[in-house]
Amino acid sequence: DADVTQTPRNRITKTGKRIMLECSQTKGHDRMYWYRQDPGLGLRLIYYSFDVKDINKGEISDGYSVSRQAQAKFSLSLESAIPNQTALYFCATSEGGTYNEQFFGPGTRLTVL
Amino acid sequence: RKEVEQDPGPFNVPEGATVAFNCTYSNSASQSFFWYRQDCRKEPKLLMSVYSSGNEDGRFTAQLNRASQYISLLIRDSKLSDSATYLCVVNRNTGRRALTFGSGTRLQVQP
Repeated sequence: DADVTQTPRNRITKTGKRIMLECSQTKGHDRMYWYRQDPGLGLRLIYYSFDVKDINKGEISDGYSVSRQAQAKFSLSLESAIPNQTALYFCATSEGGTYNEQFFGPGTRLTVL
Repeated sequence: RKEVEQDPGPFNVPEGATVAFNCTYSNSASQSFFWYRQDCRKEPKLLMSVYSSGNEDGRFTAQLNRASQYISLLIRDSKLSDSATYLCVVNRNTGRRALTFGSGTRLQVQP
């Protein structure tokens, strides 16, 4: 089984709908992250959490919210989806420290019509 | 100016060739550096960390030049399986910031 899983893998929705993307991990890592990837822009950080009680905004948090339900679960919500939120979304985890590798989930491809 | 800049490519090279990618970063406070590999429509995966003294892992060599604020990745004896996008990643390690990713350099190794 994959260490970092994301659901759903693909989602098509309409403008104004509320969407939740879920991430679960079995790696036992404290740190979890949500990124979005757009062509030509690379991965951009939306939110990150260094433990269950710690939530931090990344560089593009507007229009998104998160919930860290447990060490293993980190959800990303779009309260009212808009077309420019169409992107590939990745969840990642890591141990603490500077040089620790981030492990990514398989991604969720979201299309907002 | 982007915090991490890479030539998007694509770099089209024949099998067996040596290819090098450079990446520049704008923040001199950056403290740790990485190369990630991303296959088409897949998640990024760590290829190698980049240390101040440079480091090598098989056919891959990474180097850091702090004075000029760039990182390089050299791939020797390219294989078809090396075809992917290579992401340059920087961690400023100030406050609690996470990683900053470059937009990637695409490599296509041809038979």
